[in-house]
Amino acid sequence: DTEVTQTPKHLVMGMTNKKSLKCEQHMGHRAMYWYKQKAKKPPELMFVYSYEKLSINESVPSRFSPECPNSSLLNLHLHALQPEDSALYLCASSQDADEAYQPQHFGDGTRLSIL
Amino acid sequence: AQTVTQSQPEMSVQEAETVTLSCTYDTSESDYYLFWYKQPPSRQMILVIRQEAYKQQNATENRFSVNFQKAAKSFSLKISDSQLGDAAMYFCAYRRGPNAGGTSYGKLTFGQGTILTVHP
Repeated sequence: DTEVTQTPKHLVMGMTNKKSLKCEQHMGHRAMYWYKQKAKKPPELMFVYSYEKLSINESVPSRFSPECPNSSLLNLHLHALQPEDSALYLCASSQDADEAYQPQHFGDGTRLSIL
Repeated sequence: AQTVTQSQPEMSVQEAETVTLSCTYDTSESDYYLFWYKQPPSRQMILVIRQEAYKQQNATENRFSVNFQKAAKSFSLKISDSQLGDAAMYFCAYRRGPNAGGTSYGKLTFGQGTILTVHP
């Protein structure tokens, strides 16, 4: 069983739609991450939240808007996406962003398709 | 900037045999951690093994072991007694340590991945 839960598992949306991806963990982790992954490629870091504050934004377009309402929950709000944004979106968490030895725990991902 | 290179896009192994996946990295830092992650077709990325750069002893987790050559900046993964469930994409990853200066906020640098096929 995965300890990082992502919903929905699949999402198809039009370029004018607004949708959100959700990620939840109950391991008491204080760092949470969003990644974008294309097929047969490594994950690309998008955002890092540390203690509920945005610590890293890897120059992600503003059509992606992250939100961390509390230490267990991470959202990714989507608006006016482009076809090239179709990908697997992975959420991960770790004990603390500065504890390098602690691994990141990944969710199953949301498969996003933009029509 | 750190880079991680996996030179084998695809590898295959017979069940019960041993296979080694290669990984090299480039860094000027002395404090760092290295990881191998496995991503099966079911998508969830799972930690396989990790290594602290300051430890000379190679990490081992059951059938998985690493050959860490710090001077050569090499971090290969050996899978012994391969099983069908080992079939997956394997990613090598680098993470700056807390004594490297500044904070990386947990940023992992991944290699391009190696697809491992296990033949029955």
